[in-house]
Amino acid sequence: AQSVTQPDIHITVSEGASLELRCNYSYGATPYLFWYVQSPGQGLQLLLKYFSGDTLVQGIKGFEAEFKRSQSSFNLRKPSVHWSDAAEYFCAVGAEGSSNTGKLIFGQGTTLQVKP
Amino acid sequence: SAVISQKPSRDICQRGTSLTIQCQVDSQVTMMFWYRQQPGQSLTLIATANQGSEATYESGFVIDKFPISRPNLTFSTLTVSNMSPEDSSIYLCSVVGRHTDTQYFGPGTRLTVL
Repeated sequence: AQSVTQPDIHITVSEGASLELRCNYSYGATPYLFWYVQSPGQGLQLLLKYFSGDTLVQGIKGFEAEFKRSQSSFNLRKPSVHWSDAAEYFCAVGAEGSSNTGKLIFGQGTTLQVKP
Repeated sequence: SAVISQKPSRDICQRGTSLTIQCQVDSQVTMMFWYRQQPGQSLTLIATANQGSEATYESGFVIDKFPISRPNLTFSTLTVSNMSPEDSSIYLCSVVGRHTDTQYFGPGTRLTVL
């Protein structure tokens, strides 16, 4: 069965420090992969997506993610974290059999806390 | 990008009652979905809302509990029926636009069942 694992439930980084949020997936074919961010009281916002091509994907707000097929990973990175980045981050994979943006399977989420 | 609104934004309901949540999009979309986010949990897909026909439900979700309508390309409703405290969650509508490959999410409806 398809699944998405975010090993880190909670991460705390200092403002200005670099960030990496981990995501591992289980999927039978080439996956469609996404990172969403959910700020308190807000809906989900798409940060970036991978469908095919260049395995290093650039997103909004200075985020990037790298697809590594050999490791079944799609880790999210940011070189310098801002206090406004504090939020819940979700990795998701497009469900097998759906279109590239159809049904999504989400990881458990990682809560990012930013220290001043 | 699609602008999605949901009504109500939050509600507190009594056990055994039903609540209908509305999702309105500002443009025609190809696909609409309903997700549930239980407290401290991730998002789980409830169903795909199909225009003019019965929704397609995921394993563990049934039409009698979560009836869904989608009368046109911009509007859908989700009803949570015969509610129990276990139904306390955030319910989110999501859409895929006609000219985009991006899935957008609504702001969610926070439901508390007492």
